[in-house]
Amino acid sequence: SAVISQKPSRDICQRGTSLTIQCQVDSQVTMMFWYRQQPGQSLTLIATANQGSEATYESGFVIDKFPISRPNLTFSTLTVSNMSPEDSSIYLCSVDGLMNEQFFGPGTRLTVL
Amino acid sequence: DQQVKQNSPSLSVQEGRISILNCDYTNSMFDYFLWYKKYPAEGPTFLISISSIKDKNEDGRFTVFLNKSAKHLSLHIVPSQPGDSAVYFCAASAGAQKLVFGQGTRLTINP
Repeated sequence: SAVISQKPSRDICQRGTSLTIQCQVDSQVTMMFWYRQQPGQSLTLIATANQGSEATYESGFVIDKFPISRPNLTFSTLTVSNMSPEDSSIYLCSVDGLMNEQFFGPGTRLTVL
Repeated sequence: DQQVKQNSPSLSVQEGRISILNCDYTNSMFDYFLWYKKYPAEGPTFLISISSIKDKNEDGRFTVFLNKSAKHLSLHIVPSQPGDSAVYFCAASAGAQKLVFGQGTRLTINP
């Protein structure tokens, strides 16, 4: 399985600001995924990021709010833009394994005041 | 529309006994099912998976059972250990690697 790190691990932000979350993998991977876990809820896929192409967003998520970069096969960033308290969540990146499984990073806990 | 459902938000089991976590799904296109375990302040950890062509997969203390006709899967942990206390998520995919997760079940193993 891949080793995945995320920065920052947690942050407290003011409404109206933006936060960029970084995801680093120790090996080259084709697909990277960004999820959100709101308090007490399940994990919801935000978008799928492939290197060299625009991210594919799930219903309810838009690029203006959650811009994603994927500059190479080991790195991706997710920006949460113009934050509101409703954006308070854990944000997780994951990568695909050899089968259909995904391996997750430790998550970024975001609190918006 | 919740395509993957874990109807028990919590489960308490005595150490050494069997833990059974359940999951139901509605999308008949799902062909791969997974269980993840999550500790607080950590990302989900992949536990075990099963393809729709099988009805059972076993890995050590963990066994996943799939009943396609009932659209139901379960995770059995035996014997349960204190370190198994965590939130367990089931997930499903329909070939495209997009995972759909259930709401999670918090398992507590009591000494």
